[in-house]
Amino acid sequence: ETGVTQTPRHLVMGMTNKKSLKCEQHLGHNAMYWYKQSAKKPLELMFVYSLEERVENNSVPSRFSPECPNSSHLFLHLHTLQPEDSALYLCASSQAGINYGYTFGSGTRLTVV
Amino acid sequence: KNEVEQSPQNLTAQEGEFITINCSYSVGISALHWLQQHPGGGIVSLFMLSSGKKKHGRLIATINIQEKHSSLHITASHPRDSAVYICAVFSTDKLIFGTGTRLQVFP
Repeated sequence: ETGVTQTPRHLVMGMTNKKSLKCEQHLGHNAMYWYKQSAKKPLELMFVYSLEERVENNSVPSRFSPECPNSSHLFLHLHTLQPEDSALYLCASSQAGINYGYTFGSGTRLTVV
Repeated sequence: KNEVEQSPQNLTAQEGEFITINCSYSVGISALHWLQQHPGGGIVSLFMLSSGKKKHGRLIATINIQEKHSSLHITASHPRDSAVYICAVFSTDKLIFGTGTRLQVFP
């Protein structure tokens, strides 16, 4: 356990389903991130929350909707996904403005059928 | 072309071999991270470097800021070192990742 917990670990969903990914950290960090990792591609930053405020949205389709209710929890709400959205979704946390101490979760392996 | 390039993409080794993974980057950075990702998906931070060299157990990381290059070395490799090793640079408040090097160490 790294201190960043993601659930579920695996998710299979149909294109018309609505589901949510959850990330939780109790490291005292105040920045949280969603990354997408597709096969043979670098990790892509999707969203950044710093002090519970969304500070970055990297041209992510609106079928992905993040939510950060407090500094310890981060959600990624999914609806009407496409098969090309199948990937590993990783959550990370850090102390905002400090370029060390990124801690990653184990990821959610998402398959869209 | 990616801003962070790693080589090789895939690497196989016999147990006990000395391993080197290379990372080159084309942007200004404030720090460079070496990360390890096991088959389950979780990523663990191995090193954060801004200059020189760091050592942790059998792992050594070096960085040459002028040449924009870093290397990760594994001495006396072991099958449990099998993983994907990812180089990431911290540039303009963002982490930019390489595509990773998949290492397999056979007994």
